[in-house]
Amino acid sequence: EVQLVESGGGLVQPGGSLRLSCAASGFTFSSYEMNWVRQAPGKGLEWVSYISSSGATIYYADSVKGRFTISRDNAKNSLYLQMNSLRAEDTAVYYCARFLPYSYGTFEYWGQGTLVTVSS
Amino acid sequence: QSALTQTASVSGSPGQSITISCTGTSSDVGSYNLVSWYQQHPGKAPKLMIYEDSKRPSGVSNRFSGSKSGNTASLTISGLQAEDEADYYCCSYAETRTWVFGEGTKLTVL
Repeated sequence: EVQLVESGGGLVQPGGSLRLSCAASGFTFSSYEMNWVRQAPGKGLEWVSYISSSGATIYYADSVKGRFTISRDNAKNSLYLQMNSLRAEDTAVYYCARFLPYSYGTFEYWGQGTLVTVSS
Repeated sequence: QSALTQTASVSGSPGQSITISCTGTSSDVGSYNLVSWYQQHPGKAPKLMIYEDSKRPSGVSNRFSGSKSGNTASLTISGLQAEDEADYYCCSYAETRTWVFGEGTKLTVL
């Protein structure tokens, strides 16, 4: 069974940093492209970042470019999101999501999410 | 990249059919067969319902179907059931190597 479990969320002050993790199990993590998608309270979904299976290709949404860094450790079956210079508008539930193979843009499996609150 | 446009809310009675539309541009919806649809119940993670415009994942009811014409994609749910009440989001790949979601549609089963 595919499982994605996010962790690392919490309360952080504006300008602060946080590192999210996503532990994957039930599949060969190193073979799959992964993403982070967020959802502000009461709002819609927003794609945040993509990383290829090897980690060689990375994309970011304009809203986080230069502040967030996606990475992965295939030996540890883990995906990460380093978030710096956090702003109030980054407050959201952050989901890690696996792409469906050979379908460039289908978020096949999602974790349960971790809440990030940016507030003083 | 602006969010795809969806009707904010739609409603229907049990057994009826409803359609949710998702309008983008020639840079996203209209250029790629990569529209997907997600169902989200309150407090839960999104669930994939339709991918690549009209394909249905294993385990998803055949009451859910997807289509596309030009820059507008549609999700149709037939034989509405109470458990279909949820928020629905469309998503498309965009030519700027990003992915864009719709604003979301709240489905109410009367």
